[in-house]
Amino acid sequence: GQSLEQPSEVTAVEGAIVQINCTYQTSGFYGLSWYQQHDGGAPTFLSYNALDGLEETGRFSSFLSRSDSYGYLLLQELQMKDSASYFCASINQGGKLIFGQGTELSVKP
Amino acid sequence: EAEVAQSPRYKITEKSQAVAFWCDPISGHATLYWYRQILGQGPELLVQFQDESVVDDSQLPKDRFSAERLKGVDSTLKIQPAELGDSAMYLCASSLVRDALPFFGPGTRLTVL
Repeated sequence: GQSLEQPSEVTAVEGAIVQINCTYQTSGFYGLSWYQQHDGGAPTFLSYNALDGLEETGRFSSFLSRSDSYGYLLLQELQMKDSASYFCASINQGGKLIFGQGTELSVKP
Repeated sequence: EAEVAQSPRYKITEKSQAVAFWCDPISGHATLYWYRQILGQGPELLVQFQDESVVDDSQLPKDRFSAERLKGVDSTLKIQPAELGDSAMYLCASSLVRDALPFFGPGTRLTVL
C-alpha cells in the first residue's frame, strides 16, 4: 500500500531548532511536500522537494533523499506561532496527493 | 490573490439528513480535489476531477456520497444520508494542471449529531 510515516508529536522550546522526519512508500512518486495546519484551519503549503537535497525558505528548510525514501522538515528559531500540525505529503503520478498522519508540534516558552 | 472558495464553512446536521458542500476553484484550474480530514488524521482523497470528468473516486463511499463538476468549474459534494462517522473537515483543492501542487480552500467542518 501507499503510506507516509511521521512522528505523532514533537515538543521544543522557543528559539530552538526542530526536525520532523518523514518516510514514504508510494508508487509513481514525483516529490515530497510539507503543509502546516493550525487548529480549525486548512492545510497551508510550506515547501516542496522534487529533487534530492535541501530547499530553504526563510526559517523553514526541507530535505529529500529519493534513494532512502526519506525527507524532513527543519524549523529554525522556533516561535510560539509555529505550534501546529505538520504534514508531509507525496505528490504522485496523476496529481494524487497522499498525506501522512501529521506531527503535532508544541513550542514551549 | 486568487483563492479556492468553499461554503458553508460550518455545517451541523442530524444523522440520516442530506448535506451538500460547494467549492469554487481558482479560475483556470482544471484539476479539482475533494479531501476528507477526520480529527487527528491527515487528509484523505475522496475524489479528483480533471475538468468535468472524474479521474479518481476509488475512496469515495459511493453508497452515500456523490460529487459533480458539471461545467468543469465549480463542484458540489453531497452526502445522503449522513452518518455519525462523517463528522470531519471537508477540504476542496485545485491545481492548474494535473501534476501540479494543489491549493486548498478553507474547508467545511461537518458535525453529524
